[in-house]
Amino acid sequence: GAGVSQSPRYKVAKRGQDVALRCDPISGHVSLFWYQQALGQGPEFLTYFQNEAQLDKSGLPSDRFFAERPEGSVSTLKIQRTQQEDSAVYLCASSSRQVRSKYNEQFFGPGTRLTVL
Amino acid sequence: DAKTTQPNSMESNEEEPVHLPCNHSTISGTDYIHWYRQLPSQGPEYVIHGLTSNVNNRMASLAIAEDRKSSTLILHRATLRDAAVYYCILRANYGQNFVFGPGTRLSVLP
Repeated sequence: GAGVSQSPRYKVAKRGQDVALRCDPISGHVSLFWYQQALGQGPEFLTYFQNEAQLDKSGLPSDRFFAERPEGSVSTLKIQRTQQEDSAVYLCASSSRQVRSKYNEQFFGPGTRLTVL
Repeated sequence: DAKTTQPNSMESNEEEPVHLPCNHSTISGTDYIHWYRQLPSQGPEYVIHGLTSNVNNRMASLAIAEDRKSSTLILHRATLRDAAVYYCILRANYGQNFVFGPGTRLSVLP
């Protein structure tokens, strides 16, 4: 079946521009996560949704970052007034079960590589 | 989440076994040990997970020390397609997001 998809795969933005990154999770998956991965480092957690509810946004680095999942499926990560330090790969992952379960494998998309000039 | 320590990089020859170590001395009783790997230009993918007992699946084996303070991911016969960054992650039974470290970059030589 189809996995997690993300679009665009690559995005180049001028400093100060707003960008929107899209994530299509696996159909029916309840949980959705966003991670940021800088070059040469492991992914870092940004935010988590259970259905349409954003239950944890503790990893968002500033108020310029905003995520939504209004209908509990597709999610959008928006970055306002982009800065050079926002350059990274943004990964989306989904999971079929609610967080408080014994085990829930996360399925990752290929990521969106954002370059801010 | 408790912290894990892995070597930065390892090398293996093709078709030989690979043992990827992970130290997690501050692991708690409810922490599961997860392994994910990330191939070039892809998102991480699940490899294996365990709690106390050794685990086997089609991809790999996970050997967990009796005191659970360390574990080893075993690839029985490395192939060129196994070249990736391997992440060892701890997460509580009722945890949420994964906390990734820098992982181990595995190179497989033909």
